[in-house]
Amino acid sequence: NAGVTQTPKFQVLKTGQSMTLQCAQDMNHNSMYWYRQDPGMGLRLIYYSASEGTTDKGEVPNGYNVSRLNKREFSLRLESAAPSQTSVYFCASSEALGRAYEQYFGPGTRLTVT
Amino acid sequence: AQSVTQLDSQVPVFEEAPVELRCNYSSSVSVYLFWYVQYPNQGLQLLLKYLSGSTLVKGINGFEAEFNKSQTSFHLRKPSVHISDTAEYFCAVRPFMTSGTYKYIFGTGTRLKVLA
Repeated sequence: NAGVTQTPKFQVLKTGQSMTLQCAQDMNHNSMYWYRQDPGMGLRLIYYSASEGTTDKGEVPNGYNVSRLNKREFSLRLESAAPSQTSVYFCASSEALGRAYEQYFGPGTRLTVT
Repeated sequence: AQSVTQLDSQVPVFEEAPVELRCNYSSSVSVYLFWYVQYPNQGLQLLLKYLSGSTLVKGINGFEAEFNKSQTSFHLRKPSVHISDTAEYFCAVRPFMTSGTYKYIFGTGTRLKVLA
């Protein structure tokens, strides 16, 4: 049982390049989330998916797109990276609606955009 | 809408001393409350959670927190800290909902530095 896995762990991009961050969970959770963590700002929600087939914008969605490929996988895409997207990105998952389960986090992807 | 405030961005404390990390929240609906810990270069892991019932909640690594509804607070405490407790701590809330979608709201974090 690996929990929540993320790839890659580190990435350096040039401005304007694109990339996809991958996330998978093996806990059969319905809900999945993407956050970014910046110093002094805590975690900010980028997008979330309450269930397979649905996605919703969070607090800071601009510049990102997501795909809920199936129940296990939730990817985050940067179409044209900007230096302001330099951050640590975390994927998380949690149980179904109505159940007060905590979130489970992946180890993070450290992204630098030059 | 909900919001979470962690007033202390950094808390230095000597080893074996007690510590309290403060968390206040604002919400127009009932919420569930969580404390997470993040060790350097790692993801977040759950320390403890309050769902209902007893307002004093015990978690892992000797931490506990007390839910105070009237003061809308959920402060984290440990009677005697260790060097290994050095980490960043996040308070989070989630609205109590039985339908619709929901989100977790996080505070900005408190960096606990335990000094030898």
